[in-house]
Amino acid sequence: KNQVEQSPQSLIILEGKNCTLQCNYTVSPFSNLRWYKQDTGRGPVSLTIMTFSENTKSNGRYTATLDADTKQSSLHITASQLSDSASYICVVSDRGSTLGRLYFGRGTQLTVWP
Amino acid sequence: EADIYQTPRYLVIGTGKKITLECSQTMGHDKMYWYQQDPGMELHLIHYSYGVNSTEKGDLSSESTVSRIRTEHFPLTLESARPSHTSQYLCASSGPTSGSREDIQYFGAGTRLSVL
Repeated sequence: KNQVEQSPQSLIILEGKNCTLQCNYTVSPFSNLRWYKQDTGRGPVSLTIMTFSENTKSNGRYTATLDADTKQSSLHITASQLSDSASYICVVSDRGSTLGRLYFGRGTQLTVWP
Repeated sequence: EADIYQTPRYLVIGTGKKITLECSQTMGHDKMYWYQQDPGMELHLIHYSYGVNSTEKGDLSSESTVSRIRTEHFPLTLESARPSHTSQYLCASSGPTSGSREDIQYFGAGTRLSVL
């Protein structure tokens, strides 16, 4: 069964600290993995997208890694800010954009305290 | 900033009412989607469209219907709302973007529906 599991379910950190969110998937075949940020009451916003051949991608203070062999990905947030408080969702696609379907994780709820 | 808009943002209605959730995008994307999301849960695809006059049901069974008469509009309709329809509905569109071979999905802000 194709699944996307994220951990931890929730996380509280102090402003300025770093954190790492995990994503494990069993989706096969694999096309690409995406990380989204979803603020409360808003739609998700794309942070990174990685294909099979990419093992790291950065977007400002966000760095995503991908190990396609172990089917694991992580999202590292550096020097957290209050505005980083949101749900971070891992999404895996099983084919190319035209035909692929997306498998969504339940997200990690990150809270950054001052 | 994505150019995809949903209205209304919030809607509280009584059981049995007919409602239409609006979604429009100005990016010229052919592909559009409707997702349902309950608090703390993953998004579930309920409808998608790959272009004008093309609509398909998603993975999650839904009593809603959609239409795609124009590229930019993808409204979702519930003929007779019930309390079980209470949820957040997210519309998205996808298309190519510079710097990536894969389509990127852009989401609207969502409509939070409460059926009493």
